[in-house]
Amino acid sequence: AQTVTQSQPEMSVQEAETVTLSCTYDTSENNYYLFWYKQPPSRQMILVIRQEAYKQQNATENRFSVNFQKAAKSFSLKISDSQLGDTAMYFCAFMKSSAGGTSYGKLTFGQGTILTVHP
Amino acid sequence: GAGVSQSPSNKVTEKGKDVELRCDPISGHTALYWYRQSLGQGLEFLIYFQGNSAPDKSGLPSDRFSAERTGGSVSTLTIQRTQQEDSAVYLCASCKALGGNTEAFFGQGTRLTVV
Repeated sequence: AQTVTQSQPEMSVQEAETVTLSCTYDTSENNYYLFWYKQPPSRQMILVIRQEAYKQQNATENRFSVNFQKAAKSFSLKISDSQLGDTAMYFCAFMKSSAGGTSYGKLTFGQGTILTVHP
Repeated sequence: GAGVSQSPSNKVTEKGKDVELRCDPISGHTALYWYRQSLGQGLEFLIYFQGNSAPDKSGLPSDRFSAERTGGSVSTLTIQRTQQEDSAVYLCASCKALGGNTEAFFGQGTRLTVV
């Protein structure tokens, strides 16, 4: 079974600064996806960024980037130039996939990190 | 609609009553997930449907909980003889395998309050 661990229950950062959220996971699978989801107070889960395990290059989406260390089973999220709208709960998630990239299997989430951006 | 739709948005029920929560996934999405989220907490996996395969029910907390997915589309989560500890937000998500574009889309959730 896969497990996802987020060791930081809460984080805070000043507006325009950079913050890194940690995530580690445990799996025996070789093919999988990793995700970071954001859940603002509205409760709507929004995909922030995704990483395919077979890709060595770290995924980047505008101000969001990841540091994917497959051997260490680590998948941290870096938010640059933090904005007030980034305040939310952030979840790291794991999904097993086939060698061909067709995803299947349970989507497993970490416990979440509450991020607060201060003006 | 274009997104995952859940109904009702809010449900207040008396302890001991049965409730049904509905999820309409995005058309064509073969995978459907149910999660439970208590206030300020993480997502607790309940059940997962993938196409015509037998569902993964490993997360259902008791035999009072059941779910079905009819015709590979709409899903209903049923909680029988509700208890106060069942109070939570129930989230549904659907997913279509698209290789590098794989993403699970979530509904807004149903907030269940058992009084």
